[in-house]
Amino acid sequence: AQSVAQPEDQVNVAEGNPLTVKCTYSVSGNPYLFWYVQYPNRGLQFLLKYITGDNLVKGSYGFEAEFNKSQTSFHLKKPSALVSDSALYFCAVRPGWGSSNTGKLIFGQGTTLQVKP
Amino acid sequence: EPEVTQTPSHQVTQMGQEVILRCVPISNHLYFYWYRQILGQKVEFLVSFYNNEISEKSEIFDDQFSVERPDGSNFTLKIRSTKLEDSAMYFCASRPTAGGNTGELFFGEGSRLTVL
Repeated sequence: AQSVAQPEDQVNVAEGNPLTVKCTYSVSGNPYLFWYVQYPNRGLQFLLKYITGDNLVKGSYGFEAEFNKSQTSFHLKKPSALVSDSALYFCAVRPGWGSSNTGKLIFGQGTTLQVKP
Repeated sequence: EPEVTQTPSHQVTQMGQEVILRCVPISNHLYFYWYRQILGQKVEFLVSFYNNEISEKSEIFDDQFSVERPDGSNFTLKIRSTKLEDSAMYFCASRPTAGGNTGELFFGEGSRLTVL
């Protein structure tokens, strides 16, 4: 079965410090991986995706993520956190090709990022 | 920038009542989805829709739920007889052309449903 795990309910970091939000996945075939951010009472905003190619992908607002096939991970990173980065972050995977490949995303349970000044 | 729009932003209803949530996907998108999120928790897939029919649905999407694309722009989710546990934020999403199944989903701002 396809699944995504975000092992941390909350990550706390001081402003200016690097941040990492962890994600591991389980999927058959080549994974398509995504990160979304949700601010309070808002929809999900796309940050970045990995489809193929370079394992380090860059996205919006200075975020990047590193795909690691051997560890089946896709951790979200940022070199220097801002207070405004505080939000709920979701990792997502798209199931591979097959009869049920409708392009839906399967989301992890989310990680709350709290950046303190 | 084109966006997915959803109405209403918040609806309060009595248990057993019918509710229709509306979405206008981005105009050149072909795939449409409904998700729900209970109390800021996990985002759960409900249904996907393509070429005027359901292409996939989850276990949550039982006979009380239905979707429709009544015209060229709207995409609706109907809950026939609401239950308390239907209280959630419902998100509509869309995705562009079928050429290349690697695109991200574009989400609306959500419709908050409160069932009393």
